[in-house]
Amino acid sequence: GAVVSQHPSWVICKSGTSVKIECRSLDFQATTMFWYRQFPKQSLMLMATSNEGSKATYEQGVEKDKFLINHASLTLSTLTVTSAHPEDSSFYICSARADRNTEAFFGQGTRLTVV
Amino acid sequence: GENVEQHPSTLSVQEGDSAVIKCTYSDSASNYFPWYKQELGKGPQLIIDIRSNVGEKKDQRIAVTLNKTAKHFSLHITETQPEDSAVYFCAASIRTGFQKLVFGTGTRLLVSP
Repeated sequence: GAVVSQHPSWVICKSGTSVKIECRSLDFQATTMFWYRQFPKQSLMLMATSNEGSKATYEQGVEKDKFLINHASLTLSTLTVTSAHPEDSSFYICSARADRNTEAFFGQGTRLTVV
Repeated sequence: GENVEQHPSTLSVQEGDSAVIKCTYSDSASNYFPWYKQELGKGPQLIIDIRSNVGEKKDQRIAVTLNKTAKHFSLHITETQPEDSAVYFCAASIRTGFQKLVFGTGTRLLVSP
C-alpha cells in the first residue's frame, strides 16, 4: 500500500506551548487528509478533514482555533495543537487518500504528552 | 449520522482456532466497510474491505461477510497465529463526498500459543 508518514512519532511538551505534527504522503499526491485522535484503549475519533488548498472541515466539538490544520500541498498536512493542556495528551493519527476512488492510508501516529 | 457498534471488546483464542468479530451500522446509505488492524503504538493498517455490492470477500486466512438487510458485517480469521494479536477496528463510510470513516470501538484479540 501507499506510504503515509507522520512526524514526530512522539512528543512531550509543556502546558501552554504549541506543537506541530506533520503528515506526509510519500509516494502519492493526497487530495484529502484526515486527522484523528485516539485516547488510550478507545476508538479513533475524526477531528477534521482537509482538502489541499482549502480550509479544513472540523467535526462537531473540535475547536478549530485550538487544532490548526494546514494542507498547503498535495503531500503535506500539518496539525498544530495550540496552547496545549494535559487533556490534549493523546495519540494523533492522520490518513491520506489520492482521490475519492482510492483508499485512505494511515500514518503511524504521534503520541502527544502535555506536562 | 452513522454509528458503528463492535463486539466483542476482547477476544482470547488458542493458536489455530478461529476468531470472529462482529459490527453493526446504523446508516443504510453506508456502502464501504473496511477492517483495520492496529498494533500497539502504531497507526491502523487496512487488512480487508468490502463494498455493499458484495456479500463476502476472502483473502487467505481472513474473510469478511456483509448482510445489508441486517446492517451488520463480520471479520473471520481462521488458523489464528500469535502475530494476529492486536486491536481490530471495523469502520463504515459512504463512498461519496468526504467519505468519512466511522470506526467501531475496537476488539482486542489475543492469540495464545
